[in-house]
Amino acid sequence: DTGVSQDPRHKITKRGQNVTFRCDPISEHNRLYWYRQTLGQGPEFLTYFQNEAQLEKSRLLSDRFSAERPKGSFSTLEIQRTEQGDSAMYLCASSIQGVPVLKQYFGPGTRLTVT
Amino acid sequence: AQTVTQSQPEMSVQEAETVTLSCTYDTSESDYYLFWYKQPPSRQMILVIRQEAYKQQNATENRFSVNFQKAAKSFSLKISDSQLGDAAMYFCAYRSDYSGGGADGLTFGKGTHLIIQP
Repeated sequence: DTGVSQDPRHKITKRGQNVTFRCDPISEHNRLYWYRQTLGQGPEFLTYFQNEAQLEKSRLLSDRFSAERPKGSFSTLEIQRTEQGDSAMYLCASSIQGVPVLKQYFGPGTRLTVT
Repeated sequence: AQTVTQSQPEMSVQEAETVTLSCTYDTSESDYYLFWYKQPPSRQMILVIRQEAYKQQNATENRFSVNFQKAAKSFSLKISDSQLGDAAMYFCAYRSDYSGGGADGLTFGKGTHLIIQP
């Protein structure tokens, strides 16, 4: 169990640029989640995948946000035309469907700063 | 929509003492799961303890235990024999028992910053 990894750990970008983050889940985990955590708040659920299927995306914050998991392994979260309000920690988590259910393992996060 | 409220932004406890962190939630569902997650400084979030709403018995994991009051929609975390390594942000989280859609994501509170005084 090597844990959930995220890349990059930190990203500084200028307003209007596009950014993409990567998440590698624990290898046998078929579910993958994305959350956003702003300063002083708890994580906010954005979207999740079961294998390569994106089962929930209505929580994505705007149409500038999109996520993919093309082969059911790693996932990417893209933010287009970044805004200062997008500055936050973006967390990825993974889990395995089955028993015991529901335990989500979190990655270290990608901290985005939009200048 | 479900909401989770943690009314204590910060708590402080002496090492080896006991501390209780509060959490209340609002839901119209009868089946759900509650969690406490720990987020140490600059480290990833880890699950501390989990409670299934259909279970009357309170969950316990070593020095961590919960007081789950379903009717009151209250889910507090008790940490006994506090250790310096317990210092972290603690988040209470809710998950619906229903599958599909947004129900599979966790709803978090704002967190409680726990300080351990040596």
